[in-house]
Amino acid sequence: NAGVMQNPRHLVRRRGQEARLRCSPMKGHSHVYWYRQLPEEGLKFMVYLQKENIIDESGMPKERFSAEFPKEGPSILRIQQVVRGDSAAYFCASSPLVLYNEQFFGPGTRLTVL
Amino acid sequence: DAKTTQPNSMESNEEEPVHLPCNHSTISGTDYIHWYRQLPSQGPEYVIHGLTSNVNNRMASLAIAEDRKSSTLILHRATLRDAAVYYCILMEGAQKLVFGQGTRLTINP
Repeated sequence: NAGVMQNPRHLVRRRGQEARLRCSPMKGHSHVYWYRQLPEEGLKFMVYLQKENIIDESGMPKERFSAEFPKEGPSILRIQQVVRGDSAAYFCASSPLVLYNEQFFGPGTRLTVL
Repeated sequence: DAKTTQPNSMESNEEEPVHLPCNHSTISGTDYIHWYRQLPSQGPEYVIHGLTSNVNNRMASLAIAEDRKSSTLILHRATLRDAAVYYCILMEGAQKLVFGQGTRLTINP
């Protein structure tokens, strides 16, 4: 059973471009979470999704950021018009449809904005 | 979200036990105590979780105080690969993880 997969592992964008980060959860997992880790800072929750639904987006910046988890395919975190402050490691986690269960994290996507 | 308090850093020697403390005095009856760790340049990794009783798994043991206001993660025999930041997190249901600053564990050879 493959773990959580994220791609790309490294992404370089210039200011103003769009960044698309993909996350494939573990097989059988229907919950997906996105977290961001800014340089030298802790992990911060961004958004929690189930298939085709956003459950909690309380950690998402109000502008430029969006997330989806379609019925088919990976979850996508989209950042429009990136700025230097978006440079960070973005981690995706998944968990099965059971409460209180652990979250399995992917290796992360390291976004660098030039 | 209920909060936890952990020491910023701890140091131990290889092959010795390590006890990582966590205080959570405002824990509610339905909060589970989760521990994750993050090795350098990697994503967080689940370690263990529990509610009231002590728990053991292949990675570690979790000792929970009777009043549940504190807990201790025990690594029975630390290796260099256990050097990481360890996070103690209170979790209710299938919700977001709220990471604090954690404890940076250094293992000396």
